[in-house]
Amino acid sequence: EAGVAQSPRYKIIEKRQSVAFWCNPISGHATLYWYQQILGQGPKLLIQFQNNGVVDDSQLPKDRFSAERLKGVDSTLKIQPAKLEDSAVYLCASSSRSTLGNIQYFGAGTRLSVL
Amino acid sequence: GDSVTQMEGPVTLSEEAFLTINCTYTATGYPSLFWYVQYPGEGLQLLLKATKADDKGSNKGFEATYRKETTSFHLEKGSVQVSDSAVYFCALIGGTDKLIFGTGTRLQVFP
Repeated sequence: EAGVAQSPRYKIIEKRQSVAFWCNPISGHATLYWYQQILGQGPKLLIQFQNNGVVDDSQLPKDRFSAERLKGVDSTLKIQPAKLEDSAVYLCASSSRSTLGNIQYFGAGTRLSVL
Repeated sequence: GDSVTQMEGPVTLSEEAFLTINCTYTATGYPSLFWYVQYPGEGLQLLLKATKADDKGSNKGFEATYRKETTSFHLEKGSVQVSDSAVYFCALIGGTDKLIFGTGTRLQVFP
């Protein structure tokens, strides 16, 4: 079974530029999550999708961050314009409710450096 | 709100030493508890989980027991290997249905 795919793995941009990250979840997983992991901290949820609908975006800085999952499969997260404090690893995860519980499976992440 | 507190790292051990990484939590109700591991350059992987009090999760020689009376979920391994070097995250899912992580503990094992 293929895991959660993310691209790019690394991105370096200057402040005020825009950037986009892509995620393809595990096949059949209805729920998709984007997390921000700042160096030395645990991941923090930015947004959660159920199929192509937003379940929770309460922690998403909506003035500069946006995300979509148009066909209920892959998703993109965009930052425009980027700030220095956006430097972090952006993790995508997916899950499927089952008898084993709502286990989230993570991609390798995109490491963003804002200069 | 719900939260997880982990011991700070790095934890530095020699190969075959005993490992304990402490984790305590604050949550209403009965959360599910998890340990995730992040190897260098890789994403988070679920290591083990426990969903109710006194449950013991185990995988790859690692164990953790859900202790409701002490609100703890300490990670242990009897004999660590160099390949266990990674960052370990304790996490919970509580009443909000969100996965809440601790800050992570880096483990370094030397031969």
